[in-house]
Amino acid sequence: NAGVTQTPKFQVLKTGQSMTLQCAQDMNHEYMSWYRQDPGMGLRLIHYSVGAGITDQGEVPNGYNVSRSTTEDFPLRLLSAAPSQTSVYFCASSYHSGGTEKLFFGSGTQLSVL
Amino acid sequence: AQKITQTQPGMFVQEKEAVTLDCTYDTSDPSYGLFWYKQPSSGEMIFLIYQGSYDQQNATEGRYSLNFQKARKSANLVISASQLGDSAMYFCAMKGDTGRRALTFGSGTRLQVQP
Repeated sequence: NAGVTQTPKFQVLKTGQSMTLQCAQDMNHEYMSWYRQDPGMGLRLIHYSVGAGITDQGEVPNGYNVSRSTTEDFPLRLLSAAPSQTSVYFCASSYHSGGTEKLFFGSGTQLSVL
Repeated sequence: AQKITQTQPGMFVQEKEAVTLDCTYDTSDPSYGLFWYKQPSSGEMIFLIYQGSYDQQNATEGRYSLNFQKARKSANLVISASQLGDSAMYFCAMKGDTGRRALTFGSGTRLQVQP
């Protein structure tokens, strides 16, 4: 099973460039989210989605856009990259069943902005 | 607002011994869930264990158990019979009683298992 697939794994951008981080899941989960992890820190929520067509901001949304046109895909767009956006980005999808919650992460994208 | 606190930046444990990683939380939600994730040096986030706030018993998953003390707002992870492969960062996280299915993470504890 593919689970949550993120591409690319590594990316280097120049300040001001834009790009899209791709995230796809094949588990038919309604809920998807994007996190960033800075060195020595836990993950912080950027944006999330509770279903196709519905997105909302998390803890650190500035400089990022998302859309959710399908259940499977949840891309994260950097509009004008800044060095402060150098980080590792994780996409996740989750479900809740039988009193248990499970959140599955992709393998991460390491982004450097010069 | 929710908050997770992990007060141990780093821990050492001898192979085959048990270790407890501390986690305290703060939330005003009546219902919530607590998670532990392992992040090895390769970077992926690996789900370890989940505890719901209304669960009567502490969660267990193999060598992992969660010592849930609701009145103290603590959710410590206990790893029994430590192995060298347990060396990693460990993150405590919680999900509140909202629709967003997103987690609030602590800053993590780096565990090193010594032979």
